Amino acid sequence: AQTVTQSQPEMSVQEAETVTLSCTYDTSESDYYLFWYKQPPSRQMILVIRQEAYKQQNATENRFSVNFQKAAKSFSLKISDSQLGDAAMYFCALPTSGTYKYIFGTGTRLKVLA
Amino acid sequence: DAGVTQSPTHLIKTRGQQVTLRCSPKSGHDTVSWYQQALGQGPQFIFQYYEEEERQRGNFPDRFSGHQFPNYSSELNVNALLLGDSALYLCASSFSQGGILSETQYFGPGTRLLVL
Repeated sequence: AQTVTQSQPEMSVQEAETVTLSCTYDTSESDYYLFWYKQPPSRQMILVIRQEAYKQQNATENRFSVNFQKAAKSFSLKISDSQLGDAAMYFCALPTSGTYKYIFGTGTRLKVLA
Repeated sequence: DAGVTQSPTHLIKTRGQQVTLRCSPKSGHDTVSWYQQALGQGPQFIFQYYEEEERQRGNFPDRFSGHQFPNYSSELNVNALLLGDSALYLCASSFSQGGILSETQYFGPGTRLLVL
């Protein structure tokens, strides 16, 4: 069975600093995608970044980047130059093959300190 | 370009009642998935609709049912509500091209259901 684990229930970072959120997963698939979603208090789940497993290069979206280690089944999210608006719950998600239902981790609450 | 919309935003029901939640997918999307998110948890997959049929179902009882309309919008129905059904219900849309489903889902703002 596919699983997603986020071992950090809560993280804090000073404004303008860098923080890394961890995610590990398990799948028997060879080709798959991984996602990070952000859920602020407004509740809307917002796509932050996605990674295709067959691509060696780590995905980057502005201040957000991932460290994808396929062999270790690790998919961490790095947020650079943290801003107050980055405060939210962050979820790692693994779509299953076929119909792509998502399996989510339990989330990491990120606090940004001014 | 309108994103995924859901209605209502909040809902209060009592045990035993029935509820209907609605979702309109992002423009160009034809597939709708529903998730239940309990407080402090990650979303759990309920089911997915494509071409007006339930394509896949998660581990939820038959009290949870759905429908997809020809315009791709969708409803989630929950019968005989239990206290444990209190949660945020998220709708996500995606698209299929020639039957191949895009892996990226875009989420709506959710409906907060409280069962008393």
